[in-house]
Amino acid sequence: DTGVSQDPRHKITKRGQNVTFRCDPISEHNRLYWYRQTLGQGPEFLTYFQNEAQLEKSRLLSDRFSAERPKGSFSTLEIQRTEQGDSAMYLCASSYRGLIQETQYFGPGTRLLVL
Amino acid sequence: QQQVKQSPQSLIVQKGGISIINCAYENTAFDYFPWYQQFPGKGPALLIAIRPDVSEKKEGRFTISFNKSAKQFSLHIMDSQPGDSATYFCAARGTNFGNEKLTFGTGTRLTIIP
Repeated sequence: DTGVSQDPRHKITKRGQNVTFRCDPISEHNRLYWYRQTLGQGPEFLTYFQNEAQLEKSRLLSDRFSAERPKGSFSTLEIQRTEQGDSAMYLCASSYRGLIQETQYFGPGTRLLVL
Repeated sequence: QQQVKQSPQSLIVQKGGISIINCAYENTAFDYFPWYQQFPGKGPALLIAIRPDVSEKKEGRFTISFNKSAKQFSLHIMDSQPGDSATYFCAARGTNFGNEKLTFGTGTRLTIIP
């Protein structure tokens, strides 16, 4: 399977704990995006990378959130001191910047539940 | 401020009928308008997309109609099938810095009944 993969698929944690999610994009894609989706809503942008450079961060991304893409391949999203409001589906998408029609392909998501 | 408004929130269509979902946008910097289909527990999957230089794009049973002056676009699903039952999201994106992420509508839950 050469699509976007995310790990873990599900995470249950207690309030105040730290969690880390991983995203592996499609191999030749140079852009990687993180979105958050709550029940009944569309995905909301969090941040994105071109290669290893983080180009934009949403104001939704509080200082408890940090994302990295150290070698321009996989990416991690860490949430420190989790709160119940962080419960959501975290989606990763990748694309190739340079095509006329740059399509973002989404992974299956990581569903986070904070108790 | 919601930049992409989507309606209806839910839609029930009989098998074989036409499903129509509408979206409106505000940001004139948007120049790429995809529709995504999402099944429960899955990530969104690209269905069809359009750029504003054309007014209509058709792929199989799926058609996007685009009205640039009204800043509106819609998805039409012809001959709707039970397998089309899913949540559909319209989205929009620009190509200049600050607009390159996708801005999504709130979604339409489509149910096709026999």
